[in-house]
Amino acid sequence: QSVLSQPPSVSGTPGQRITISCSGSKSNIGDNNAHWYQQVSGMAPKLLIHSYYQRPSGVPDRFSGSKSGTSASLIISGLQSADEAEYYCAVWDDTLKTVVFGGGTKLTVL
Amino acid sequence: QVQLQESGPRLLKPSQTLSLTCDVSGVSLISYYWTWIRQSPGRGLEWIGHVSHSGTKAYHPSLQSRVSISMDTSKNQFSLSLTSVTAADTATYFCARDPGSSYYAYYWFDPWGPGIPVSVSS
Repeated sequence: QSVLSQPPSVSGTPGQRITISCSGSKSNIGDNNAHWYQQVSGMAPKLLIHSYYQRPSGVPDRFSGSKSGTSASLIISGLQSADEAEYYCAVWDDTLKTVVFGGGTKLTVL
Repeated sequence: QVQLQESGPRLLKPSQTLSLTCDVSGVSLISYYWTWIRQSPGRGLEWIGHVSHSGTKAYHPSLQSRVSISMDTSKNQFSLSLTSVTAADTATYFCARDPGSSYYAYYWFDPWGPGIPVSVSS
């Protein structure tokens, strides 16, 4: 069981806005920066958002992030079929002394 | 453009030592932190550890007794060694860059190598 809790799956239709949540605790999300990765089937994870809301160059502004207390969220607006993938949150944990990853959320575009 | 590529054996027997290498192109190893991460169906994504040119090393607490990460700046590559492997070490292993500063890692990873599947079986 992951230290960070994500919903196993979410779905949406093209053009819709969806949110993926990542729930943690003070020792991880509460006190450290959370990051988000996108993993298309059979490929390596790709950095989507770092430090809660920072987008690397090349990542569309349809992807955004936020934080509230000990939870982080990934928001995808203007959903596209190309967004179908697994999404992971990750953050350093001060108690466990390691990076922890969420269990992943599979996004299906209907 | 920074690119990473993992290489090494894909099949090991229990108790053997896993040795993987990550070739880095497009940037020198003398900057940043260089990281190994693995992924398996049962354990998900798991950070293994990192090394920096300054000599800083950090490892996952559960792997600390078996793991070592080193770098060879002359070849612009870094390596992972994991001793006494068991079936639980079966996973896809990724190398990645942590764009941390000289003083601390950022603990986010970009880019990643494509990954190498490693299976441990008798």
